[in-house]
Amino acid sequence: KNEVEQSPQNLTAQEGEFITINCSYSVGISALHWLQQHPGGGIVSLFMLSSGKKKHGRLIATINIQEKHSSLHITASHPRDSAVYICAVSTDSGYSTLTFGKGTMLLVSP
Amino acid sequence: ETGVTQSPTHLIKTRGQQVTLRCSSQSGHNTVSWYQQALGQGPQFIFQYYREEENGRGNFPPRFSGLQFPNYSSELNVNALELDDSALYLCASSPTSGPDTQYFGPGTRLTVL
Repeated sequence: KNEVEQSPQNLTAQEGEFITINCSYSVGISALHWLQQHPGGGIVSLFMLSSGKKKHGRLIATINIQEKHSSLHITASHPRDSAVYICAVSTDSGYSTLTFGKGTMLLVSP
Repeated sequence: ETGVTQSPTHLIKTRGQQVTLRCSSQSGHNTVSWYQQALGQGPQFIFQYYREEENGRGNFPPRFSGLQFPNYSSELNVNALELDDSALYLCASSPTSGPDTQYFGPGTRLTVL
């Protein structure tokens, strides 16, 4: 079983829809990260959070430490949001590295 | 402020060869992590360097080795290449070795034939 599980694996939406991507993890963490990867490989960090909720523009990330669950929400989705969204955790291993989920491929149609 | 850069962008090698990939970290960052991303998978941690010392290692064999230089740039070396080494190799720098935001380079696409 992977330490970080994401759902759904693939997601299609119409422009303007509200989108939710979920992430569950099974290990103790020091922080949870949401990242975006566009075709061609580049990865951009969207959020790093260890409690509560963060908002940046149309993106909102929440985490529930007790339930070991996080969600990434996109409001008023747009075709330019089409990308792979990856959840990753920093574990308490004495040094910081990331353990990644497999990602959610999002396609937003006009 | 210059971001994380990697070279080369693409590389084709044959089985048994050796390869060196390079990463220049973002200014002020003393920690570099390397990841391998197979097609359709999330990245897997290879190792991390902090102030020129290996600071942690994932489940990769010893033929994967690295270096970090005084300017905090880094190299990933892979010996005796195997077909399964074909992947996107990503490096990421961060200002500390703790749980900090990591800044990723564009990656090097390695194909082993």
